[in-house]
Amino acid sequence: GDSVTQMEGPVTLSEEAFLTINCTYTATGYPSLFWYVQYPGEGLQLLLKATKADDKGSNKGFEATYRKETTSFHLEKGSVQVSDSAVYFCALRGGNKLTFGTGTQLKVEL
Amino acid sequence: NAGVTQTPKFQVLKTGQSMTLQCAQDMNHEYMSWYRQDPGMGLRLIHYSVGAGITDQGEVPNGYNVSRSTTEDFPLRLLSAAPSQTSVYFCASSYHGTRGIQSDEQFFGPGTRLTVL
Repeated sequence: GDSVTQMEGPVTLSEEAFLTINCTYTATGYPSLFWYVQYPGEGLQLLLKATKADDKGSNKGFEATYRKETTSFHLEKGSVQVSDSAVYFCALRGGNKLTFGTGTQLKVEL
Repeated sequence: NAGVTQTPKFQVLKTGQSMTLQCAQDMNHEYMSWYRQDPGMGLRLIHYSVGAGITDQGEVPNGYNVSRSTTEDFPLRLLSAAPSQTSVYFCASSYHGTRGIQSDEQFFGPGTRLTVL
């Protein structure tokens, strides 16, 4: 079945540091790929998405590129802020079901 | 729009008790789903519905029942709570696209934190 593997957290960075959170997937066919973010005490929010190979999703300074050859969808941001502290989930959609990774907690310190 | 609302926010049950977690959305979304979130496990799909009167099982359906009598509401029932059901539960909704597949963005409720003693 479909699966998503994310790097383990927590990831702790200083403000303005570069962020990479790795995500790889296993799926049949051509899934859509997503990054969701969960701020403390809240539900998940869609951060960005990509629906086909080589697409780049971007939002709020975050980017991720759909790499079919490496089955990856790594999340990057050039300069993180304290307000980016949250849990980030990589996910794929096959048909009507979303499959999530285990989540990566990001802590950004001053 | 209130979006996706869930009640209660917190609940403590004893083993064997029953309860219903409420979920409602005011966006006229056809697709609704329930997930549980456990440490180190991510979100796992419990049940989902593609429209009123239609429900289906997800990855971890055992111990849970759902029904969808209206487009707006999608309650989750625990018939006999067990400690293994201690978790945070999220309801989500989305449009159901023209190809019969849910649209890209799911809207999540704020969650219900359930503890079963």
